[in-house]
Amino acid sequence: KNQVEQSPQSLIILEGKNCTLQCNYTVSPFSNLRWYKQDTGRGPVSLTIMTFSENTKSNGRYTATLDADTKQSSLHITASQLSDSASYICVVADRGSTLGRLYFGRGTQLTVWP
Amino acid sequence: EADIYQTPRYLVIGTGKKITLECSQTMGHDKMYWYQQDPGMELHLIHYSYGVNSTEKGDLSSESTVSRIRTEHFPLTLESARPSHTSQYLCASSAPSGTGMNTEAFFGQGTRLTVV
Repeated sequence: KNQVEQSPQSLIILEGKNCTLQCNYTVSPFSNLRWYKQDTGRGPVSLTIMTFSENTKSNGRYTATLDADTKQSSLHITASQLSDSASYICVVADRGSTLGRLYFGRGTQLTVWP
Repeated sequence: EADIYQTPRYLVIGTGKKITLECSQTMGHDKMYWYQQDPGMELHLIHYSYGVNSTEKGDLSSESTVSRIRTEHFPLTLESARPSHTSQYLCASSAPSGTGMNTEAFFGQGTRLTVV
């Protein structure tokens, strides 16, 4: 069964600190893995997208890693800001159909305190 | 900022009413999707479309229907709203698969529907 599991479910950190969010998946055949940021009551916004051959990708203070062998990914946030408070969703796309089906994790709810 | 728009952002409506949630994109994308998301839960695909006059049901069974008469427009309709339909509905679009399987999916801001 194709699944995407994220941990932790929620996380509270102080402003300026770093944090790492985890994603494990069983989606096969694998096409790509994406991290999205979703503010409360809004649609998800893409942070990074990685294919099988990519191990790491950065977008400003966000750095995503991918280990396709162990089917794990992480999202590292550096020098957190209050505006980083949001849900971070790991999404894995398969390549078994022309739709490129997306499988969503439940997200990690990050809260950054001043 | 993605050019995909949903209206209304919030809707509170009585049981039994007919509602249509609007979704429009100006990127010329062929693929469009509707997702349902409950608080703290993952997104579930309820409808998708490959292009004009193409609509398919997604993974999560839904009493809603969709239509795709124009490329840019993908409305979702509930003929008779019920409290169980209370949820957030997210619309998304992406470019055709011929441009590469890694094409980005862009999401609208969502419609928060409450049926009382």
